[in-house]
Amino acid sequence: DGGITQSPKYLFRKEGQNVTLSCEQNLNHDAMYWYRQDPGQGLRLIYYSQIVNDFQKGDIAEGYSVSREKKESFPLTVTSAQKNPTAFYLCASSMQGRNTEAFFGQGTRLTVV
Amino acid sequence: SQQGEEDPQALSIQEGENATMNCSYKTSINNLQWYRQNSGRGLVHLILIRSNEREKHSGRLRVTLDTSKKSSSLLITASRAADTASYFCATDPSPRMYSGGGADGLTFGKGTHLIIQP
Repeated sequence: DGGITQSPKYLFRKEGQNVTLSCEQNLNHDAMYWYRQDPGQGLRLIYYSQIVNDFQKGDIAEGYSVSREKKESFPLTVTSAQKNPTAFYLCASSMQGRNTEAFFGQGTRLTVV
Repeated sequence: SQQGEEDPQALSIQEGENATMNCSYKTSINNLQWYRQNSGRGLVHLILIRSNEREKHSGRLRVTLDTSKKSSSLLITASRAADTASYFCATDPSPRMYSGGGADGLTFGKGTHLIIQP
């Protein structure tokens, strides 16, 4: 089935560690996005990529890094520089162009222990 | 920065009643979209309305858009217990920005948490 898959569903990180969240899609979408969601809040854009080997910072990119080596994959690394990483992370993809909907993965809940 | 603001923040109604949620935004848009999120899950796209459209229907959903007031509403008719979820509006800005804040990608509000009492 076509879709977007995030893994793992739950992730625990110790202080000072980097962790990488996986996002894979088989929808043949060019654009991919990472959002962060805090309790009772909306989504905030971390990074996005419109094409392979290119990506742009969103509103809250500090402390995060991404890569886009393949069209299907857009992993997010939460670095030790991110001061408050505990949150729900959502990956999305969409077709290029205007007036297109976004398809979301099921999310990864990251907790710092 | 978050552009959309939903109102109310929470809404509890009886099954069978209609539920109305509102969204206000700040800048020009290409389109406005509504998404649904069940607790602890990803978002699911419900409906997209373009900036040159005023009303759109999809099943039990009715969305309106007033670009002069920079506002939208989502109406769910004949609500069911399974409609219990959080609902978010998201705007696709025009023109798109490519640096700093307001980067490409949808801008979401904080959502309306809807509870349908059986």
